[in-house]
Amino acid sequence: QSVLTQPPSASGTPGQRVTISCSGSSSNIGSNYVYWYQQLPGTAPKLLIYRNNQRPSGVPDRFSGSKSGTSASLAISGLRSEDEADYYCAAWDDSLRVFGGGTKLTVL
Amino acid sequence: EVQLVESGGGLVQPGGSLRLSCAASGFTFSSYAMHWVRQAPGKGLEYVSAISSNGGSTYYANSVKGRFTISRDNSKNTLYLQMGSLRAEDMAVYYCARGDYILTGYYDYWGQGTLVTVSS
Repeated sequence: QSVLTQPPSASGTPGQRVTISCSGSSSNIGSNYVYWYQQLPGTAPKLLIYRNNQRPSGVPDRFSGSKSGTSASLAISGLRSEDEADYYCAAWDDSLRVFGGGTKLTVL
Repeated sequence: EVQLVESGGGLVQPGGSLRLSCAASGFTFSSYAMHWVRQAPGKGLEYVSAISSNGGSTYYANSVKGRFTISRDNSKNTLYLQMGSLRAEDMAVYYCARGDYILTGYYDYWGQGTLVTVSS
């Protein structure tokens, strides 16, 4: 059972802006950085956002992260077909249940 | 170029053992904490275990504590996961990942994964 709660699914049409939420508590998001991972079908996860809102080199600025209190969100603007993937939030928690349950993003 | 290559997965009977390896290259392995994350078929990511850069500290998810042992050989740039008393629920793709610290949600490089199948 994940301690970080994400919606199981999200969808949007090309060009739209979509957001994925991640809800936690004071023991994880509330006291630690939030990270976001993108997992394309059949591949390993890829770091998308680190330290709440930082993008690794090579990640388009269409992807942005934010955090407020015990919640975080990932926003994808200018949605593209290649963004169809599973997205996971992560934050350290002493229970070692680090990852959210994941959100499957469908580009309609 | 940073590379992590897992090996050692395969079919094992319930109650059996298996050792996974993760060969690292392209960075100073001994300077980084390393992590194992697994993904059961059709399911989400599950954190499994972590080890500090010098191997002196280790952490385990409750689901594997007492059955799995993480270790590393910095002279060989290799991370290990010794798995014992395997159960059906341990069946998953196991990924090794590089972290910035041992207690972290930051994993900047991942291997391609190795599949562990637990079945009689």
